[in-house]
Amino acid sequence: DTGVSQDPRHKITKRGQNVTFRCDPISEHNRLYWYRQTLGQGPEFLTYFQNEAQLEKSRLLSDRFSAERPKGSFSTLEIQRTEQGDSAMYLCASSQDGDRDRYEQYFGPGTRLTVT
Amino acid sequence: EDQVTQSPEALRLQEGESSSLNCSYTVSGLRGLFWYRQDPGKGPEFLFTLYSAGEEKEKERLKATLTKKESFLHITAPKPEDSATYLCAVQPSYNQGGKLIFGQGTELSVKP
Repeated sequence: DTGVSQDPRHKITKRGQNVTFRCDPISEHNRLYWYRQTLGQGPEFLTYFQNEAQLEKSRLLSDRFSAERPKGSFSTLEIQRTEQGDSAMYLCASSQDGDRDRYEQYFGPGTRLTVT
Repeated sequence: EDQVTQSPEALRLQEGESSSLNCSYTVSGLRGLFWYRQDPGKGPEFLFTLYSAGEEKEKERLKATLTKKESFLHITAPKPEDSATYLCAVQPSYNQGGKLIFGQGTELSVKP
């Protein structure tokens, strides 16, 4: 078990550019979540996948944001036409369906996005 | 509306000075309440899950308790390495996906 990994760890981009982040969940976990965290706040839910199906999206996820999880393994989160307000830490988490103790979500190290 | 409020926002303790962090919540049905620790620039690290009022869990110097409206994280004889932001989150039972709703966190600083 190598934990949840995210790439890149840091990304600096200019306003208007597109960026893509990758998340690799814990291998046996079938649920994958994306959250966004700004300074001094707790993480906010963005979207959730069960296997390859995207089953829920927050209203925070504007149409500039798109997420995929092909083949139910890794996931990507793309932000098009970035804005300064998109600057935040983007966190990925995974969990396993089943017994209630498996509802625990394990987070990756995050991708810090800075839009200049 | 589901909501989680943590207090205090920041807490400064001397090494060995025990204290408690509070997490108050309103949610339409609770599946679970979660505590995480977050170090600067890193992702949240899972600590505890509590499922029903009266439940308690312990790990080293930390003890988490749950009532119908709030949870406490008790820190006994803290050490400087306990310094971090502690996050509380609830998981609504009506949500099949299991999303977490977080509070804003309590930033704990333990001085030697």
